[in-house]
Amino acid sequence: NAGVTQTPKFRVLKTGQSMTLLCAQDMNHEYMYWYRQDPGMGLRLIHYSVGEGTTAKGEVPDGYNVSRLKKQNFLLGLESAAPSQTSVYFCASSYGTAQETQYFGPGTRLLVL
Amino acid sequence: GQSLEQPSEVTAVEGAIVQINCTYQTSGFYGLSWYQQHDGGAPTFLSYNALDGLEETGRFSSFLSRSDSYGYLLLQELQMKDSASYFCAVRNTGFQKLVFGTGTRLLVSP
Repeated sequence: NAGVTQTPKFRVLKTGQSMTLLCAQDMNHEYMYWYRQDPGMGLRLIHYSVGEGTTAKGEVPDGYNVSRLKKQNFLLGLESAAPSQTSVYFCASSYGTAQETQYFGPGTRLLVL
Repeated sequence: GQSLEQPSEVTAVEGAIVQINCTYQTSGFYGLSWYQQHDGGAPTFLSYNALDGLEETGRFSSFLSRSDSYGYLLLQELQMKDSASYFCAVRNTGFQKLVFGTGTRLLVSP
């Protein structure tokens, strides 16, 4: 099992450009999450999904959109990137009844110039 | 809402014991989780305390006191590979999703 995978691993964007981050999991987890991590700060939840076709806002959703068309995939989109979105983005998944035990992907490092 | 407080950095030597504290303020509370993250790596789950008391998993133990809104992670027989950041996290009955502390960086020296 690959667990949770993320693509790309690293990306540089110019302000105003758009991009999509892809997360895939092969553990048949119902719940999936997108977090961002900035220096000196913990993980902050951007959006999450409790099942195929559903999404919900987390703590810091502004400037991001998500979609979960298939159970195993969770996409994070930036429509118009801003320097404030420079961060490391982590995807995670969990069984619905065990949200405390989340499995994280390796992360995507995004730099917005 | 909720807030968590952890020390920003802790240092220790190989073979020693170190305790990383976490205090939290939240209304309605399921339990306290701990995650480890090495530099450049992904967070990995370490432990979860839903009930008061001590949970032991090998060299790592985690403790929770709901009445004191306090928990800690105890690392014994420290090894160099334990140098990492450690995050506590809580899930409350309102927001329903994990909220992470800002992390404690543990530096283990020879």
